Amino acid sequence: ETGVTQSPTHLIKTRGQQVTLRCSSQSGHNTVSWYQQALGQGPQFIFQYYREEENGRGNFPPRFSGLQFPNYSSELNVNALELDDSALYLCASSLRGLEAFFGQGTRLTVV
Amino acid sequence: AQKITQTQPGMFVQEKEAVTLDCTYDTSDQSYGLFWYKQPSSGEMIFLIYQGSYDEQNATEGRYSLNFQKARKSANLVISASQLGDSAMYFCAMRAALNTGNQFYFGTGTSLTVIP
Repeated sequence: ETGVTQSPTHLIKTRGQQVTLRCSSQSGHNTVSWYQQALGQGPQFIFQYYREEENGRGNFPPRFSGLQFPNYSSELNVNALELDDSALYLCASSLRGLEAFFGQGTRLTVV
Repeated sequence: AQKITQTQPGMFVQEKEAVTLDCTYDTSDQSYGLFWYKQPSSGEMIFLIYQGSYDEQNATEGRYSLNFQKARKSANLVISASQLGDSAMYFCAMRAALNTGNQFYFGTGTSLTVIP
């Protein structure tokens, strides 16, 4: 196990709703990033947080937002859910510049 | 822009045999890192091996080795003595060395099935 935990593991939401996914990073890791992995695809970078500040963002609309807390845990929020948001959402943590460890992911289904 | 290409959607290998999973990449950066991750059906991405762009020797980690050919921009993963537990998705990824965070660029993956 990597020490990175995500919750919940599975989630079903209705189109138009809002969702919050959570990630508890490995102890001492100050950098957290989020990825979206659609079925049959590789993970796509959403954004990254370093010491509570967004520090890099991929090609995702503003309805994807996040937070990092003083204990370096993180949240991913998605507003106005669309069917295409159905995916596995992965969180990765690292001590800046070193190896990244991934959580087991949250499987989000939008119906 | 960085891009990773994995051209093998699925591969089969006999147990105890070796298998090579292909990965080519494109980047204009001089300094970068190449990674291979294993993703079982549970979803977690498991780190396998890392190669830095300035590393002169190919990386090895147990049964995993990375065949790095910089001029051809390829970073193939070789798994020796395949085991049934190796059946999973395998992803090649790149991270720019100047980006000291976790911004990886992933390929589309290769599904490996080990046959008893």
